[in-house]
Formats: sequence, structure tokens, C-alpha cells
Amino acid sequence: QVQLVQSGAEVRKSGSSVKVSCKASGVTFNSFAFSWVRQAPGQGLEWVGGIIPLFGKTNYAQKFQGRVTITADESASTVYMHLSSLTSDDTAVYYCAREASIWRWGQGTPVTVSS
Amino acid sequence: AIQMTQSPSSLSASIGDRVSITCRASQDIRNDLAWYQLKPGKAPELLIYGASNLQGGVPSRFSGAGSGTDFTLTITSLQPEDFASYYCLQDHTYPRTFGQGTKVEVK
Repeated sequence: QVQLVQSGAEVRKSGSSVKVSCKASGVTFNSFAFSWVRQAPGQGLEWVGGIIPLFGKTNYAQKFQGRVTITADESASTVYMHLSSLTSDDTAVYYCAREASIWRWGQGTPVTVSS
Repeated sequence: AIQMTQSPSSLSASIGDRVSITCRASQDIRNDLAWYQLKPGKAPELLIYGASNLQGGVPSRFSGAGSGTDFTLTITSLQPEDFASYYCLQDHTYPRTFGQGTKVEVK
């Protein structure tokens, strides 16, 4: 059974950065792509970026280019999302998801950015 | 980037109503489309994948149709637990893109 377990809630100051992790189990880690998606309070779902660990290839939404870095550690079956230059607009729940015909999602990590 | 235009942005309906939500892609995405239900404080719940395949455990009143650029999510008989927001997602190409969402409210 595929399971994605994300790191816990984070509180950051404006201008700082945050790194969220997502550990996968029950899946052959390098066989899939992973995405990060966020939902800000009262807003819709927004794709942040993704990684294909087998090739080390990343793709980012234009909006986050230059501020987000997604990495993968095959030995730990874990993907990471690092987001820098945080503002209050980055306050959101961040989800990781394993892509396949059926996407599997993590439980979400709330990130709160205060000024 | 492929744009997903979802409509309506909101709708009011009653228990038992038939409800339809559409997503239009700015280019051909074959059948690489999923529908999600979103409720406050919960992770997105997958309803439909591959445009028309019902995810296991999802009630059969939900159905998806379409291919290419035009897609529809239909709820045949709205139930109290269906009042929520719904999103389409294309995973045909990068960057992945969501529709703007549809909020289904009580009439």
C-alpha cells in the first residue's frame, strides 16, 4: 500500500525559507514522478512543481521559478520541496503526491508565514 | 502551459439534483484528466481518473466523460456530503495545471 508521510507544520518569518519532506513507502521510489501542490486559505489547488527521481528531472510552475527547489533522495525514498523568499501569500497547506494513473497524496503540511 | 478553464465557478443545487461541471483544456490532453473533491481541512479526494474511470470507493453517482479538450464531471443525484469544491487536473504535460474550481453550494 502506497503511503506518503509528510513532515510537520512549519511557521516562518517573511523573507525566510522552508523545506518540507515527503517520505514514500510501499512504492518503488524511482518508478514514479512526484508533485507538490498547495492550497492557500480560501483558494484553489495550485501545482508548485514536480520531480522524476529516476532522471533527476524537475519541472516548476512559472510562478515559483527561482524560488522553489524540489529534490529527491533515493536512499531515503524521500522528496523535498524548498521554498525561499517567503511572503504571507505562501501561507498554505502543501501536499506531495505520487503521480501515476491514480495519484496518491500525502496528508499535507501547513506552512504559516508571518511578518 | 496548458490552461484548464473550469465552469461554473460556483453553483447552487438541492439534494437529489443532477449537477454537471465542465473543464476545457487549451490543447489536446487526450484523456489525461482527473477530478478531485476538496473539503475544508482535508486532503484532495480523487473521484475520477483517466477522464472517465471511477476511483475505488467513490459512489457511482459520480461520473466523468470527455477526451481531447472537453471534459465533464456529473453528479446524478446530489447528496448532503457532496456539497464541496471540485477541481479538474491535467497531467498530460508539465507544468501540471488545475482548473479554477467549482463550489457546489446548498440552494
